[in-house]
Formats: sequence, C-alpha cells, structure tokens
Amino acid sequence: GAGVSQTPSNKVTEKGKYVELRCDPISGHTALYWYRQSLGQGPEFLIYFQGTGAADDSGLPNDRFFAVRPEGSVSTLKIQRTERGDSAVYLCASSLDGQGSDTQYFGPGTRLTVL
Amino acid sequence: GENVEQHPSTLSVQEGDSAVIKCTYSDSASNYFPWYKQELGKRPQLIIDIRSNVGEKKDQRIAVTLNKTAKHFSLHITETQPEDSAVYFCAAANYGGATNKLIFGTGTLLAVQP
Repeated sequence: GAGVSQTPSNKVTEKGKYVELRCDPISGHTALYWYRQSLGQGPEFLIYFQGTGAADDSGLPNDRFFAVRPEGSVSTLKIQRTERGDSAVYLCASSLDGQGSDTQYFGPGTRLTVL
Repeated sequence: GENVEQHPSTLSVQEGDSAVIKCTYSDSASNYFPWYKQELGKRPQLIIDIRSNVGEKKDQRIAVTLNKTAKHFSLHITETQPEDSAVYFCAAANYGGATNKLIFGTGTLLAVQP
C-alpha cells in the first residue's frame, strides 16, 4: 500500500516568510509525528498527534511553529516568520495507534531552505 | 533531558566482515529501541527493533542486543555487503507513557568496502 507522503519535497523561501508543510500518513494510522533533521544529525522530535489532538508538542522550538491535524489524517506543519536556522529536512512519520511497539514509518521529508 | 549517544560516528569495514554500532540511553523508562537505516537523500527505514523485555533479537544478518541495567544496546551486522552502506540511527522511546516520541542518536556512517 501507499506509504507516508509529504509535500512539497523541496521548499525554498525567504527569511520572514510563512510556510506550510503537508504530511499524508498511511491510511488508518492514528498516530502521527513530526521530526526535524539537520545535516549530519539524527531526527529531532517536534510534535506527536494521537488522532486530532496534539498529545505532545514539547519539541516545537518556539511559538513560530504550529501543527494541526483537523480530521485525524493529514497534518500540516506551519512555520511563521521563517529564520535561516529553520533550514532542515522536516520528516513526518505515522504509526498504527501509538501503542505497544508499533513501527513509526517515515515519509521522504520536505527539505526547507530559508534564504 | 533524554539523550541517546551513538558510537562510532563512522565505520569502515571490508565486505564480509561484521559491523557493530553501540548506543547508550539516559531515560530509564525507555522500553522500545528501534534501529533505522537511511541512505543518502532517502527516508529512514526501520531495520530491526527490540522491546525492553527481550535481551536479544535476530533477523537474518542483523541482530540487536539490549542491556537494560547498563542502558546500552547494540546493532550487529554480519557478512556485510556493499548495499549495507548507509547511515544507521539508533533510537529510544517510552512507549505507553505520556509520549511515544523517538529520541535518536547522532548516526553512524557505515561504509562497506568491496
């Protein structure tokens, strides 16, 4: 079946602009995660959704970052007033229900470049 | 805060040799330990995982061992092949707790020389 998909694959923006990154999880997966990966580093947790609600947003770096999942499926990560330090690959992952040890499946990521 | 340390950062082996990557975690509540393989420009893909109630798990050429007392787990790849070349990440999570977030190590670049 279809895996996790993310759009756009690449996004180039100017400092101070607003961007939205989209994640389509695997159908039927109730748990959805956003991570950020800088060059040469491991993915860093941003936010975790169980259904429509954010169960853990402790990884969001500041209030410029916000994410929604209004219908419990697609999620959008929103970044306001982008800064050059926001440049990274933003990864989305989903898992069946976030219980037990079910696997987190990753999408291909969106490479964000802030000029 | 939670932390996962991973060593070595780079590892070069000859084809057919074994490779071992080691990780240490700080949160004693961690109970789930996956390993991901990431090829250049690609998404991380799970290769093996282990729960805290198991000491060792094996899948063909890949095995993972866990020492809960020492808060240490390792990935073992035997009979390495050139296609094993990639960056490998360990991670730890407290599944069933307040959050299921994965805390990742910094990665190991494995190069298998033909």
